[in-house]
Amino acid sequence: SQTIHQWPATLVQPVGSPLSLECTVEGTSNPNLYWYRQAAGRGLQLLFYSVGIGQISSEVPQNLSASRPQDRQFILSSKKLLLSDSGFYLCAWSGGVGSVTDTQYFGPGTRLTVL
Amino acid sequence: QKEVEQDPGPLSVPEGAIVSLNCTYSNSAFQYFMWYRQYSRKGPELLMYTYSSGNKEDGRFTAQVDKSSKYISLFIRDSQPSDSATYLCAMIGGSNYKLTFGKGTLLTVNP
Repeated sequence: SQTIHQWPATLVQPVGSPLSLECTVEGTSNPNLYWYRQAAGRGLQLLFYSVGIGQISSEVPQNLSASRPQDRQFILSSKKLLLSDSGFYLCAWSGGVGSVTDTQYFGPGTRLTVL
Repeated sequence: QKEVEQDPGPLSVPEGAIVSLNCTYSNSAFQYFMWYRQYSRKGPELLMYTYSSGNKEDGRFTAQVDKSSKYISLFIRDSQPSDSATYLCAMIGGSNYKLTFGKGTLLTVNP
């Protein structure tokens, strides 16, 4: 079966510090990968989308970037965090072997607080 | 008009009640419809998936889609305190790879 991991689970960072969140998927190959941010009362905001290694689509211009160095690894980064970067970050996957078409499966999330 | 509208609640019901959660949408291209359940401080988990008008049942859960009215529902029978969570509707269709989510309805089932 497929599983998706995210770490760290929680993170408290000062303004201006760098960020690296990691997501890995097991049990499938060539998945589509997604980064979302969820803020209270605002629903899920799609940040980045990737259909393959090195292929990243940005949905929202902002202080963040994403990379996909391996087929089942997705990384969310920032060089300098802003207060507004605080939120709950979710990684998701879809497609690939063993999945229902277009359905996205979410990881456990990382709660980021920028102080 | 937003693509997907979902009443945020909160919705509070007694244990054993039948719960009805709803979403409306405006994009006729949406073909696949999903319901996710999200417990506090956790990632959303897929609850139901359907692609045709009509009802789909899974245990105490029934997903209903009415494409002519652009309206989807999730019914929970014999609701339990463990059903207390935020329920998100989501949909996708056409050439758009993106899932479009409702903002979620917060449900509390009181013992």
